[in-house]
Order: sequence, then C-alpha cells, then structure tokens
Amino acid sequence: QVQLQESGPGLVKPSQTLSLTCSVSGGSISSGDYYWSWIRQPAGKTLEWIGRVSGTGITNYNPSLKSRVTMSADTSKNQFSLTLTSVTAADTAIYYCARDSAVAGHDNWGQGSLVSVSS
Amino acid sequence: SYEVTQPVSVSVALGQTATITCGANSIESKNVHWYQQKPGQAPVLVIYRDNKRPSGTPERFSGSNSGSTATLTISRVQAGDEATYFCQVWDASTGRPFGGGTKLTVL
Repeated sequence: QVQLQESGPGLVKPSQTLSLTCSVSGGSISSGDYYWSWIRQPAGKTLEWIGRVSGTGITNYNPSLKSRVTMSADTSKNQFSLTLTSVTAADTAIYYCARDSAVAGHDNWGQGSLVSVSS
Repeated sequence: SYEVTQPVSVSVALGQTATITCGANSIESKNVHWYQQKPGQAPVLVIYRDNKRPSGTPERFSGSNSGSTATLTISRVQAGDEATYFCQVWDASTGRPFGGGTKLTVL
C-alpha cells in the first residue's frame, strides 16, 4: 500500500513562498501509471485541486493558481514538491498530497499538512 | 468558473438509503469521483469514474451519472457512514473542481 507524507513549514508570512514536500513509500513515483497531486482545503471548506506532476516532471496546474504554482519530482528521493508564491491569508489551508490515478481519481492521500499564512 | 453543486446536508435513518447529488454543466460527459471525509481525516476515494468501487469500498456504495447530475447512493446506511461526501469532476481544463460537500447525518 502506497503511503504519502507531507512535510514543510506550518507558518509562512504574507507575500512569501510556501514550499511543501511529499515523501512517498511503498511505491515509486517513477511509475508511469500515476501522477502525483497537491490538493488543499481551508478550514470548514471544500477541496481545491492545485495541480499534479508525473515522475518525469510533466505538470498540469489548476488554471486559477497556475501563475503562482510550481511542482517538481525528485525520483532519487521518491518525493515531489509544491511551491506557491506570493501567498496571502487566503492560502491558509490543509495541504494534501495524493496519488493521481489517471481517470480513476485520487486513490491514496497523505494525512495533510496545515499551513497558515500570517505575519 | 465551472460550478459543482451539492446539497449542504442529507439526513437518513439508520438502515435506509441515502442519496447525494452532484450537479454541473455537462457533467454526464465527464468522469465523476466521490470521496468520503470524516472529521480530522484525509478524504478517502469511495467511487471513481462515475460508478466504480475501489477495493475496500462496500457494495452498499454505488454511483451513477446522467442527465446533468451525478449521484452517490448508500444503501443500508450504517452509523459509520456518517461523514462529509465530496464529488469531483475530472476535467483538467476547469481545474478538476470539487463540489461543496454534503454532510451525511445518520439518524
């Protein structure tokens, strides 16, 4: 069973850059069968798909966040990462990493990492 | 933006059938996935591609998608099914949006 674990700072100042890493165990991110996604959820609200990256570095981003998002994959560490620039309080949320099973949805999720944007 | 609509809440008596809807423009032509989220936990995929069950999802869970509405049906509802359910429209051009979530209460 694939397991995912998010890591990164829990507090980011406004206008700065949010950076998170997702470590994957029990499977290789190089597998051509999957992409690897980031999804966020503000407290008490719905989920928002941020984007995804393949093991070869191919990316797709949510058009609403595209200008501020970068994702990358490090196959040597079996990790993938998210950077979100110019953050504001509206970016405060639990950030989840998840396996993206092509047309079959997000079938494995990390436990989530709370990131707060505050000075 | 592409809007995905779910009822805020649904209540059902123990052992009865719960129906949760998900509406969006031309949804019948897109793949829809359903997730269950319990408080303090990450979402769990319960239905993918409209009506497919991942291993581990009980047969009591079923899905359909036609006529501008996708539907999650839970038969013989149990107390453990109480959770918030989110649909997701699998369309990258619109940002793969999720519905607002439906809180299922078991009476």
